[in-house]
Amino acid sequence: KNEVEQSPQNLTAQEGEFITINCSYSVGISALHWLQQHPGGGIVSLFMLSSGKKKHGRLIATINIQEKHSSLHITASHPRDSAVYICAPMDSNYQLIWGAGTKLIIKP
Amino acid sequence: DGGITQSPKYLFRKEGQNVTLSCEQNLNHDAMYWYRQDPGQGLRLIYYSQIVNDFQKGDIAEGYSVSREKKESFPLTVTSAQKNPTAFYLCASSTGQGAYEKLFFGSGTQLSVL
Repeated sequence: KNEVEQSPQNLTAQEGEFITINCSYSVGISALHWLQQHPGGGIVSLFMLSSGKKKHGRLIATINIQEKHSSLHITASHPRDSAVYICAPMDSNYQLIWGAGTKLIIKP
Repeated sequence: DGGITQSPKYLFRKEGQNVTLSCEQNLNHDAMYWYRQDPGQGLRLIYYSQIVNDFQKGDIAEGYSVSREKKESFPLTVTSAQKNPTAFYLCASSTGQGAYEKLFFGSGTQLSVL
C-alpha cells in the first residue's frame, strides 16, 4: 500500500475552472510539501505546510494533520498551470515521502 | 541570481563506466539532496548532506557515491555497480533539514545507458 495517495492521477480541465488535487497519507507527519514539476523535469516548491492553510497568488493549500489529508487548489486555472503536482509529506525522521503526482492539463 | 545548477542536462553512460553529475548552489544552503525519478514515478532519495564533509544514505544509495567537500557543491557519481542507471536525477537544497524548509531544485540531469 502506498504511503501517499494522490487523486486524481490525471486531470484535464478548461481554462478558468477551479482545480482541486487531494493528498492522503498513512504515516504520522509534521509537515508536507506541495511541488510542481513541468515538462522537461524542472521542479518548483509551492508550499510547505505544517497546519492550516497557505495562499500564494491563485494557489491555496490546506492540511488537516488529524485526518492525514491535504489539498491543493488552483483558482482561475490557466494553461500555464499545466504540470505534474506532487504531494510530499515528511515523516518523523525528516524524510520526505514522495507521491507519484497528479498530471494536470488545462485547455484554453 | 541565486539558484542551483545541475550539469550536464543530458548524459550517456557506457557499460561499466562511472559518471559524475554536477550540482552547484549559490544559495548558501547547508543541506543538499540527490533524488532519482523514474518515468511515471515519484522521487526517491539517493543521498543527502546536512553539512560539509558529512552525508547520509537515502533509500536507494547502492551503486551511487557522493562527496561534500565544499558547501556549494554536492556531486553524485553513478558507479558501474548501479545496474539500472537510466533515470532523471534531481539535486535540491534547503537551509536546514529540508522538511521544515522550502526546497530548491535544480533543472535535472537525464542519464541514459548506451
